[in-house]
Amino acid sequence: QSVLTQPPSASGTPGQRATISCSGSRSNIGSNTVNWYQHLPGTAPKLLIHTNNQRPSGVPDRFSGSKSGTSASLAISGLQSGDEADYYCAAWDDSLDGPVFGTGTKVTVL
Amino acid sequence: QLQLQESGPGLVKPSETLSLTCIVSGGSISGSSYYWGWIRQPPEKGLGWIGSIYETGSTYYNPSLKSRVSISVDTSKNQFSLNLNSVTAADTAVYYCARLVFGSPYVDWGQGTLVTVSS
Repeated sequence: QSVLTQPPSASGTPGQRATISCSGSRSNIGSNTVNWYQHLPGTAPKLLIHTNNQRPSGVPDRFSGSKSGTSASLAISGLQSGDEADYYCAAWDDSLDGPVFGTGTKVTVL
Repeated sequence: QLQLQESGPGLVKPSETLSLTCIVSGGSISGSSYYWGWIRQPPEKGLGWIGSIYETGSTYYNPSLKSRVSISVDTSKNQFSLNLNSVTAADTAVYYCARLVFGSPYVDWGQGTLVTVSS
């Protein structure tokens, strides 16, 4: 189902930094940009990062994205309890002619 | 503001056809450069793209589902639909309708609707 690989979980205490990796291949991350979505159960996923490292209006600068080769990462600095959610990376896949998504990472604030 | 609302049965029997409709408001399917599609999330699993359609009727399907899926669009009603036939328990998932950009991972999401396949 999911083509991009993420760690199943990440955690930290309030104020700490959490980092989530996203591994793909040449046909997706290696050739195209990456978005990150924050997903709370029962709600629509929310766009956090687009075009690898761009934040939409209203997203705090505590969230940052980067991409290198066929991998990408999302960093959340200054963790807050409100950051507890599932996070998904996404990229266009040239072989599929459609978007592919990560396996998802559950962030817990201890 | 764009709103996407899924509608359809929440329970489908095995071997039958899953049918969902997405009503689009706050924006028009016609005359835009967007694609319209479906994404699903089985319980405890990640997100998976099902397929997309352009206003002209051109479709793109995930090869893993291509033999069972059909997406159609009705521009006069500003809505699009999903049919997935011969369903099994593995098709149990939250189904999201979405507005997509071809060539990009950008997605505008509906709220999602849970469809359970069970007798």
